[in-house]
Amino acid sequence: QKEVEQNSGPLSVPEGAIASLNCTYSDRGSQSFFWYRQYSGKSPELIMSIYSNGDKEDGRFTAQLNKASQYVSLLIRDSQPSDSATYLCAVGWGGSTLGRLYFGRGTQLTVWP
Amino acid sequence: DTAVSQTPKYLVTQMGNDKSIKCEQNLGHDTMYWYKQDSKKFLKIMFSYNNKELIINETVPNRFSPKSPDKAHLNLHINSLELGDSAVYFCASSQVRARGGQETQYFGPGTRLLVL
Repeated sequence: QKEVEQNSGPLSVPEGAIASLNCTYSDRGSQSFFWYRQYSGKSPELIMSIYSNGDKEDGRFTAQLNKASQYVSLLIRDSQPSDSATYLCAVGWGGSTLGRLYFGRGTQLTVWP
Repeated sequence: DTAVSQTPKYLVTQMGNDKSIKCEQNLGHDTMYWYKQDSKKFLKIMFSYNNKELIINETVPNRFSPKSPDKAHLNLHINSLELGDSAVYFCASSQVRARGGQETQYFGPGTRLLVL
């Protein structure tokens, strides 16, 4: 059974702080890792994708992947109130599950001014 | 130039009715998906089609029947609607890699279904 776990939160940080979102997954052999952001009443939108161990930076966002620990994280630097949303971690395994993403239940982030 | 579009955006109906939701993508992707997001925001896959062929069929009541007339369209028909079907239904599309793993899934705006 493939599972993706996230702390449901809510995670609350002050404006300008670093928000750290964590995700663990149950099964090795996973190949694709994604962070989606979902505002209330809206559809999920991609923030970051990462496929290899290490860090990947895009503006204020950094995704970190550690396949040995089965762990992927998202850091948001200089957090803004507009970052307040639910962040969904998604993992793809490929192979017989080709095309399928397994989603965590999401972490709700609130950035207060 | 919407990438993934769904109609209708809102759907309010009575229990027992039959309804359809339509999805279209203009990204040239070969794979399309239907997800259900419940009130607790958990996003769960229902179906996936690759080049019009069903490749993922989760444990979904057979009242739900997807249809893919071509690569760019994936519709969802629901028979005999029940109260528990109330949720947001998202369509998504992606390009699946030939050797496993996949590219990003892009989501439509969602259809908010309320069964009374």
